[in-house]
Amino acid sequence: ILNVEQSPQSLHVQEGDSTNFTCSFPSSNFYALHWYRWETAKSPEALFVMTLNGDEKKKGRISATLNTKEGYSYLYIKGSQPEDSATYLCASGMDSNYQLIWGAGTKLIIKP
Amino acid sequence: ETGVTQTPRHLVMGMTNKKSLKCEQHLGHNAMYWYKQSAKKPLELMFVYNFKEQTENNSVPSRFSPECPNSSHLFLHLHTLQPEDSALYLCASSQTRVITDTQYFGPGTRLTVL
Repeated sequence: ILNVEQSPQSLHVQEGDSTNFTCSFPSSNFYALHWYRWETAKSPEALFVMTLNGDEKKKGRISATLNTKEGYSYLYIKGSQPEDSATYLCASGMDSNYQLIWGAGTKLIIKP
Repeated sequence: ETGVTQTPRHLVMGMTNKKSLKCEQHLGHNAMYWYKQSAKKPLELMFVYNFKEQTENNSVPSRFSPECPNSSHLFLHLHTLQPEDSALYLCASSQTRVITDTQYFGPGTRLTVL
């Protein structure tokens, strides 16, 4: 049974502080890892797709790293802003046509 | 309109009703998905269509019936639902069925079954 775990479940961060959270996934037969950002009452929005061990991706103040050998990815947010408040989802896939398995998300709340 | 749209955004139905959820994508994608999201749980994939053909059905009860008349439209027909079917139903599309393709999501339909 495949399981993707995200921690923590929720996180309160002061505006201006940096933060990070984790996505753990099965490392065997790994193929791809996706990160999405989901604001309340909106559609989930893609941030990154990562495939290679050691991969690092960056989009503005948000970046992600990938370790496929140990089965984890970190998402980092530098200098948190109120607009970063959202639930961050990760999803992992085992082969090119396998379905994505989703984590339950990390809910990030930025305190002004 | 652009992106992926879903209607209705909210739906309340009784257990004996029949209703349908609609999804439309304006991205020229070939794969479309139905997901169920219950409170505090991960997204659960229900159905996948690739080039209008159903490729996956994740043991979804027959009271949920998908329909994909063309690559741009996807429906989820609902009948004799149970209160535990109350959830957010999300539609998504991607260029192909390959797992590295980004999935683009609609805003979802919040379904309440009384």
